[in-house]
Amino acid sequence: DVLMTQTPVSLPVSLGGQVSISCRSSQSLVHSDGNTYLHWYLQKPGQSPQLLIYRVSNRFSGVPDRFSGSGSGTDFTLKISRVEPEDLGVYYCLQSTHFPWTFGGGTKLELK
Amino acid sequence: EVQLVESGGGLVQPGRSLKLSCVASGFTFSNYGMNWIRQAPGKGLEWVAYISSGSSYIYYAETVKGRFTISRDNAKNTLYLQMTSLRSEDTALYYCARRGGQLDYWGQGVMVTVSS
Repeated sequence: DVLMTQTPVSLPVSLGGQVSISCRSSQSLVHSDGNTYLHWYLQKPGQSPQLLIYRVSNRFSGVPDRFSGSGSGTDFTLKISRVEPEDLGVYYCLQSTHFPWTFGGGTKLELK
Repeated sequence: EVQLVESGGGLVQPGRSLKLSCVASGFTFSNYGMNWIRQAPGKGLEWVAYISSGSSYIYYAETVKGRFTISRDNAKNTLYLQMTSLRSEDTALYYCARRGGQLDYWGQGVMVTVSS
């Protein structure tokens, strides 16, 4: 199985600040069709996860441009600029290139 | 508006069975692959199973293979997860989610507790 390693586990932030979350995979996430199926989710307290970024760098409908994704191969990053209160929660990366699909362990974004 | 509503959860003894349902609305259900994902209390997310739009392709996590069966009824806009030989480690909030890989919309989840 593809191991997804997210760092850090906990990320204290000040409102208005900028943060980065790393997600590394144990093997390349480039699919045979040429696409890279790496996605980012936010799970707010008491809520279901919501899709933020799909296929590395594409913002999902309604996601503010404060969120951006980048990376390639095995190394990916989610950046959040101008952090707002509604951004707090746990962030997960997901790879869906190789079955079984696997999630990272999560990064908890919390106020400093 | 896309809506996914799970049901069928509850308290069940180890070794018993349970069947979850997920009713979809707000989109053409038969056009999308669907998934089950679970989250044990206080833990992270675990993908459980995927079924393609026409049920031709089905995949499972190793932890549930041979015990869980994903299926769908496109005429009823409903996704199912038949769970047998349940174990304490299957205790989790079970979500259904739309779309192969991208998991773009999620339901609110249904709790399954396996305990004697």
